[in-house]
Amino acid sequence: GAGVSQSPSNKVTEKGKDVELRCDPISGHTALYWYRQRLGQGLEFLIYFQGNSAPDKSGLPSDRFSAERTGESVSTLTIQRTQQEDSAVYLCASSLTGLYGYTFGSGTRLTVV
Amino acid sequence: EDKVVQSPLSLVVHEGDTVTLNCSYEVTNFRSLLWYKQEKKAPTFLFMLTSSGIEKKSGRLSSILDKKELFSILNITATQTGDSAIYLCAGQTGANNLFFGTGTRLTVIP
Repeated sequence: GAGVSQSPSNKVTEKGKDVELRCDPISGHTALYWYRQRLGQGLEFLIYFQGNSAPDKSGLPSDRFSAERTGESVSTLTIQRTQQEDSAVYLCASSLTGLYGYTFGSGTRLTVV
Repeated sequence: EDKVVQSPLSLVVHEGDTVTLNCSYEVTNFRSLLWYKQEKKAPTFLFMLTSSGIEKKSGRLSSILDKKELFSILNITATQTGDSAIYLCAGQTGANNLFFGTGTRLTVIP
């Protein structure tokens, strides 16, 4: 596609429910990143995929968070048993090889009530 | 520990003023320094800097990197209200991760 697409754009969920966030990177981009941005804070690195392998999962905040990537395409970020502190904007970015500029999606705003 | 620090945290200026935003970094096996502008949810790319002392310029925006002092600045001349945004700096590691600073919130008053 022309840009990085994320869905849904907004998600309100009840505490304790599982949510799945989706990212469609730019076609041909091998590197894919997930970030989290809490209100008033900076971008927090979650996970990085090169192809469909994840060389760096160090940013995942707990074992409730997991992510997958199918080939060099779609990625899903799953948060199990959501907590109120999970409320944030979740941003996905892709890059041609990880060596050049990154393009961000418009994010998913997650609100846990 | 990888770290990117930006200053000031926020800045209010009048249209026409020139501003300088600062970014210092400590990242593992540093590869590049990137600047982004964030107005709503998604940051938009401004500059990628890999070499010291070479200024990159785009219109009224310019940026330069000092790899000895681990520092970069972003300059905006003749500011306009449309420049109001959060400006994010990120250090790219040798493992191709990006670590972001918390950003500088710029407000340009008419």
